[in-house]
Amino acid sequence: EAQVTQNPRYLITVTGKKLTVTCSQNMNHEYMSWYRQDPGLGLRQIYYSMNVEVTDKGDVPEGYKVSRKEKRNFPLILESPSPNQTSLYFCASSLGWLAGVNEQFFGPGTRLTVL
Amino acid sequence: AQTVTQSQPEMSVQEAETVTLSCTYDTSENNYYLFWYKQPPSRQMILVIRQEAYKQQNATENRFSVNFQKAAKSFSLKISDSQLGDTAMYFCALTIAGGTSYGKLTFGQGTILTVHP
Repeated sequence: EAQVTQNPRYLITVTGKKLTVTCSQNMNHEYMSWYRQDPGLGLRQIYYSMNVEVTDKGDVPEGYKVSRKEKRNFPLILESPSPNQTSLYFCASSLGWLAGVNEQFFGPGTRLTVL
Repeated sequence: AQTVTQSQPEMSVQEAETVTLSCTYDTSENNYYLFWYKQPPSRQMILVIRQEAYKQQNATENRFSVNFQKAAKSFSLKISDSQLGDTAMYFCALTIAGGTSYGKLTFGQGTILTVHP
């Protein structure tokens, strides 16, 4: 089944404790992206990747890191999480360079709480 | 920088009726794409419809259609014959097809639509 998977689905952690949210897609998609969703703000793009070893900042990259060492995986790293990073996180992927033309497939979301 | 604005935080409609969700956007680019995504209570994001800016014809997908006004930078979604399963949050989104913003996707704040029986 073609899908985007994220792990964990739910996470409660404490301030300053490094964490990684994994994202994997099995559709051989070139483009991958991370978003956070907050009430009243919609989804905001954190980072995106056009292809392996190519990453770019979205609108809210502060406090996050990403890497794209292989095509299928695009982990999101929070080196020192803070309470303002409490949010619902989505990973998405699409077929080609032009994310707009190609439908973005979203993962199921990760609910992160930072205490 | 591009922006997307949804000015209706919540909307409601009776089953079988028609409802229109509003979206305005701002960009200095000429080549871009617009989308409507649906997020039901399951949180899954589902593409409803997309529109290429260079196409004058409004996109249609079954009961969903858009009114794309490029000069006014407006992109509204019309849902006809509303069904209970249409209850969801709807997001308008914009992506630029080239330039320094290539690959960025900007979403609006979302509109919660409730369909009443």
